[in-house]
Amino acid sequence: ETGVTQTPRHLVMGMTNKKSLKCEQHLGHNAMYWYKQSAKKPLELMFVYSLEERVENNSVPSRFSPECPNSSHLFLHLHTLQPEDSALYLCASSQGSADTQYFGPGTRLTVL
Amino acid sequence: GDSVTQMEGPVTLSEEAFLTINCTYTATGYPSLFWYVQYPGEGLQLLLKATKADDKGSNKGFEATYRKETTSFHLEKGSVQVSDSAVYFCALKRGIQGAQKLVFGQGTRLTINP
Repeated sequence: ETGVTQTPRHLVMGMTNKKSLKCEQHLGHNAMYWYKQSAKKPLELMFVYSLEERVENNSVPSRFSPECPNSSHLFLHLHTLQPEDSALYLCASSQGSADTQYFGPGTRLTVL
Repeated sequence: GDSVTQMEGPVTLSEEAFLTINCTYTATGYPSLFWYVQYPGEGLQLLLKATKADDKGSNKGFEATYRKETTSFHLEKGSVQVSDSAVYFCALKRGIQGAQKLVFGQGTRLTINP
């Protein structure tokens, strides 16, 4: 695998389910990011991790819980979501602040 | 705070037409500027970037020049192809605590007809 991978690519869940999104980067980067992409809205930065420490949380509801166990992996744990949380969730990574961010293909989430 | 504004889409052009997608930003100082492209069913890919005023980024026939006087970073291509159909995002970058923060415009959907 190369670049940034995300699994699953598609996820359908009910409002009472608990699920997790996984992101893995194979680029040796030390910073990772979660974004939300909704229809007709700009990309929203959700969380930023640097060296496995969370450095930014953009007022994201607590039903979204990120986890960064090491510099290569990033998870987004989901519970009791709402239909308006349906979106494309994108993961990205970079080498600190100087380099370009590289994006994964995203997970298309549908909340019923 | 920082913000990026792109021209409203969708934009529809014929093959070989000239393309301009406008992008302006509001920010303190001189952030790095980017154009990303998103093809159907995929994540974002970096198209080009510029890190300081008067820099010109270029890639795959696309160009954009960092204009601090007009706080703009307009994307241009002289002759578009059907394969250029995608959503284009303008963004600015801020460094934060060993990482970075990208602020995106709303995206412009481009469709090129044969």
